[in-house]
Amino acid sequence: AQSVTQLGSHVSVSEGALVLLRCNYSSSVPPYLFWYVQYPNQGLQLLLKYTTGATLVKGINGFEAEFKKSETSFHLTKPSAHMSDAAEYFCAVSDEGDNFNKFYFGSGTKLNVKP
Amino acid sequence: KAGVTQTPRYLIKTRGQQVTLSCSPISGHRSVSWYQQTPGQGLQFLFEYFSETQRNKGNFPGRFSGRQFSNSRSEMNVSTLELGDSALYLCASSLQGQPGSYGYTFGSGTRLTVV
Repeated sequence: AQSVTQLGSHVSVSEGALVLLRCNYSSSVPPYLFWYVQYPNQGLQLLLKYTTGATLVKGINGFEAEFKKSETSFHLTKPSAHMSDAAEYFCAVSDEGDNFNKFYFGSGTKLNVKP
Repeated sequence: KAGVTQTPRYLIKTRGQQVTLSCSPISGHRSVSWYQQTPGQGLQFLFEYFSETQRNKGNFPGRFSGRQFSNSRSEMNVSTLELGDSALYLCASSLQGQPGSYGYTFGSGTRLTVV
């Protein structure tokens, strides 16, 4: 089974500052990787995904993430935080083999953006 | 176009009762998955359906069951409710037959409270 670790359950940044949310996974083969965002009382919205090809992936709202196989990481970044970015962010990885439509999610990182 | 619709949004049930939650995927989406979200356990996979067939199942007791209809709508049922079943239940759908490589679109969830 896969596992996903998100370092830091809460991250606080100032508006305009760099956002860095960390995600590490365990997998014996390169998985498919995803970042989702959840606003209060809402479902999850897909920010970006990595399947194959270019390891730097750009998503919506100015977010991007880089797949680093050697570090088993898929950290999410945004150059300049906006107040509207305050939400909870989840990293997810698909399972292996026949179960790859099953996702494992990290425990989430709540992003607070200070004015 | 309409997103993933889950009904009801909120539900309060008593221990020992059973409950049925409904999910209408985005039109044309044939893959539907269910996840349970709790503060303690985070997001956990329940099951995944494609063309009325359950393809994957998570590690939940047999009290949790689901099905998918020919129009891709899905229901999940929890029998003999326990206090620990209180959670946000999220449904997600995907156009592709292999959503593990494309990601899911999530609904806003059904908040189930067991008292």
